[in-house]
Amino acid sequence: DIVMTQSPDSLAVSLGERATLNCKSSQSVLYSSNNKNYLAWYQQKPGQSPKLLIYWASTRESGVPDRFSGSGSETEFTLTISSLQAEDVAVYYCQQYYNTPFNFGPGTTVDIK
Amino acid sequence: EVHLVESGGGLVQPGGSLRLSCEASGFTFSTYAMSWVRQAPGKGLEWVSGISNTDGSTYYADSVKGRFTISRDNSKNTLSLQMNSLRAEDTALYFCAKTGYYSDYLDSWGQGTLVTVSS
Repeated sequence: DIVMTQSPDSLAVSLGERATLNCKSSQSVLYSSNNKNYLAWYQQKPGQSPKLLIYWASTRESGVPDRFSGSGSETEFTLTISSLQAEDVAVYYCQQYYNTPFNFGPGTTVDIK
Repeated sequence: EVHLVESGGGLVQPGGSLRLSCEASGFTFSTYAMSWVRQAPGKGLEWVSGISNTDGSTYYADSVKGRFTISRDNSKNTLSLQMNSLRAEDTALYFCAKTGYYSDYLDSWGQGTLVTVSS
């Protein structure tokens, strides 16, 4: 099974500042035949269901603000919030969908400093 | 607009059974793979099970393999999860989720149904 880890566990960022969240997979999630990384990012606000932000490691889901961006390849990935807004307070999870079980990382909690 | 509505959760004793359902609308259910994801109180997300839209292949997390069975009824736009031999550690909010157009990322989620396993 592919094990997902995330760092830091939590971070507090001032409004308007950049937040950088990291995700690592225990093996590559890059599929060589199509050169796509099978990695997604989700946002879960308190009391709400998770929401898809990014898939293919860097493709923003429709309607997601462009301050959210994803990068990385193979085993190391980053979610960047370029200018943190109050409504971005949430837990962020990465997930690999390269093979089953489609494991999630433990999450990173983002708060306002 | 995609709607996923879970039902069937509740309080059950250890060793008992429960069947969860997810009613889907707003998309062509038969053309998308589906998954169940759970979240224990105050914890992170755990992928539980998935089912293909093409050949009905099913997939499970090791923690539920042999105890849970996922199924779908395309004629009723319904996803189900039969849960047997329930344990205290199965206590969680269970989400139904739809996969994306291109692959198995989860682009729509229900609100969840709570399963509590306790004597």
